[in-house]
Amino acid sequence: QVQLQQSGPGLVKPSQTLSLTCVISGDSVSSNGAAWNWIRQSPSRGLEWLARTQYRSKWYNDYAVSVKGRVTINPDTSKNQFSLQLESVTPEDTAVYYCARVSARGGYYGMDVWGQGTTVTVSS
Amino acid sequence: DIVMTQSPLSLPVTPGEPASISCRSSQTLLHTDGYSYLDWYLQKPGQSPQLLLYLGSNRASGVPDRFSGSGSGTDFTLKISRVEAEDVGIYYCMQAIDTPRITFGGGTKVEIK
Repeated sequence: QVQLQQSGPGLVKPSQTLSLTCVISGDSVSSNGAAWNWIRQSPSRGLEWLARTQYRSKWYNDYAVSVKGRVTINPDTSKNQFSLQLESVTPEDTAVYYCARVSARGGYYGMDVWGQGTTVTVSS
Repeated sequence: DIVMTQSPLSLPVTPGEPASISCRSSQTLLHTDGYSYLDWYLQKPGQSPQLLLYLGSNRASGVPDRFSGSGSGTDFTLKISRVEAEDVGIYYCMQAIDTPRITFGGGTKVEIK
């Protein structure tokens, strides 16, 4: 059974960097049949996709236009995890952040595994 | 970005009765492979979203057969044949044809009358 375990601080000061980690069990971050995503949820923006990393003979990283230039997603094969870094945060980045897997082995099977969510508040 | 619009915003339901949620996309979700890249998710109170249906009508593992999906192109429907108390929560549709730039609908809150 695939599980995603998130970790990271719940409070970040404005202008600082938000850093979250998602540890994978039961699958591999370098699997050719999966894509690893960060999504956030807030009352004002709803569910918003932020970033994706996937390995298809080489690593591909993609970012939402809304956060491009501030966001980085990094896979870590040695720890079988992936991380999100969001720079220069403002109160508008306050949200619940989720990591999630898209299953795509031989087709498309939806976003079938989600982390437990991390509530991040941006405040001084 | 593809805009996803759901209706209604709120849906009071009676246990044992059917329920239906609509989702419309601003662009076709029909891929050249013949599938519509539309998923349905349920977020129960205090939990992460969970996958119900993918590619419009395919139930995810463990999802009861009272949940069904239909539609193609830009108009989709999620139906619950007989609502149970455990089905309360917020239902979201999500388009995946513009992967990785997936987008979600605003959600439909299902609650027991």
